[in-house]
Amino acid sequence: KNQVEQSPQSLIILEGKNCTLQCNYTVSPFSNLRWYKQDTGRGPVSLTIMTFSENTKSNGRYTATLDADTKQSSLHITASQLSDSASYICVVSARGSNYQLIWGAGTKLIIKP
Amino acid sequence: DADVTQTPRNRITKTGKRIMLECSQTKGHDRMYWYRQDPGLGLQLIYYSFDVKDINKGEISDGYSVSRQAQAKFSLSLESAIPNQTALYFCATSGTNTGELFFGEGSRLTVL
Repeated sequence: KNQVEQSPQSLIILEGKNCTLQCNYTVSPFSNLRWYKQDTGRGPVSLTIMTFSENTKSNGRYTATLDADTKQSSLHITASQLSDSASYICVVSARGSNYQLIWGAGTKLIIKP
Repeated sequence: DADVTQTPRNRITKTGKRIMLECSQTKGHDRMYWYRQDPGLGLQLIYYSFDVKDINKGEISDGYSVSRQAQAKFSLSLESAIPNQTALYFCATSGTNTGELFFGEGSRLTVL
């Protein structure tokens, strides 16, 4: 069964600190992996999209890594800011004739001053 | 103005009522989607449309229907709302080539 699991479920860190969020997937055949940021009560916003051949991608203070062999991805946030408080969702796209995105449940990140 | 606009943003209704959630977009994308989000769960795809004449069921289409009135408009209907359809609903669009999704602000529906 295609699944995306994220850890931790929630995380609290102090402003200015770094953190890393994890994503493990069992989606096959793999097409791409995406990270989204979702503020409370708002729609998700895309941070990165990585294909099979990409193993790292940055978007400002956000850096995503992908290990397609172990089917793992991580999202590293550098020098966290209060505005980084949100849920971060890992999404894996399955290649095939039907459109299919498998969504993780997200990691809820809280940045404290 | 938002690129993807959903109306209403909040709605409280009673069991058995018909509800329509509307979505319009100014991004010029062909592909539009309706998702449902429940607390602690990943987004679930209800319906998707790759162009005006194309409608496809997603993972959880039972109890829902959609209409693609134009390239820019995609509406979701609950013919007879039930309490377990209480959720946050999102409309999204994507261009044909990139696959990146652009979401609306969401419609929070409560069925009593």
